[in-house]
Amino acid sequence: NAGVTQTPKFRILKIGQSMTLQCAQDMNHNYMYWYRQDPGMGLKLIYYSVGAGITDKGEVPNGYNVSRSTTEDFPLRLELAAPSQTSVYFCASSYSSKGGTEAFFGQGTRLTVV
Amino acid sequence: GESVGLHLPTLSVQEGDNSIINCAYSNSASDYFIWYKQESGKGPQFIIDIRSNMDKRQGQRVTVLLNKTVKHLSLQIAATQPGDSAVYFCAENISGGTSYGKLTFGQGTILTVHP
Repeated sequence: NAGVTQTPKFRILKIGQSMTLQCAQDMNHNYMYWYRQDPGMGLKLIYYSVGAGITDKGEVPNGYNVSRSTTEDFPLRLELAAPSQTSVYFCASSYSSKGGTEAFFGQGTRLTVV
Repeated sequence: GESVGLHLPTLSVQEGDNSIINCAYSNSASDYFIWYKQESGKGPQFIIDIRSNMDKRQGQRVTVLLNKTVKHLSLQIAATQPGDSAVYFCAENISGGTSYGKLTFGQGTILTVHP
């Protein structure tokens, strides 16, 4: 199984440009997440989704948008890129469980805004 | 603790030694904890988890200890190998309810294993 697949792996954007980070999972997980990781820091939650058509904000949602039209895909949209959005972005998924479950992560997208 | 800084804590060990990585978690309501390993240029990879009704759990060469009284988590790696070199993160979660599997990550610790 491919697990969680992110594209692209690297991207350089100019200030004010927009782009979509793609994320797909083939594990039929209901829950999906977008995290960002700044240098030397842990991961911070941007947005999450508990199922197709349902999304909600995480800890650091400003400047981003998401959609979840299918169970498999959870794209992250940056509308007006800013240098503060330079980071590594990780998509993750987990199966819904009341007992707490691990999240499976993609390989990340390294974004630089100049 | 959960203080945020620009420099991750580091731990350097010799190959074959045992390593202990510590983590202080923030939310006393958290009841599920995970240790992740992150190698350079890769996403976090699950190592081991533990629920709050346990204080110790063992895996292959790894042991996680949980002290709820002081909100402390540790990861012990036995016979550390060069391939264990990575950044290690603890993550906490509140199971059930409206947590929806959202994880809160600690700062991370850089483990370097010298041959």
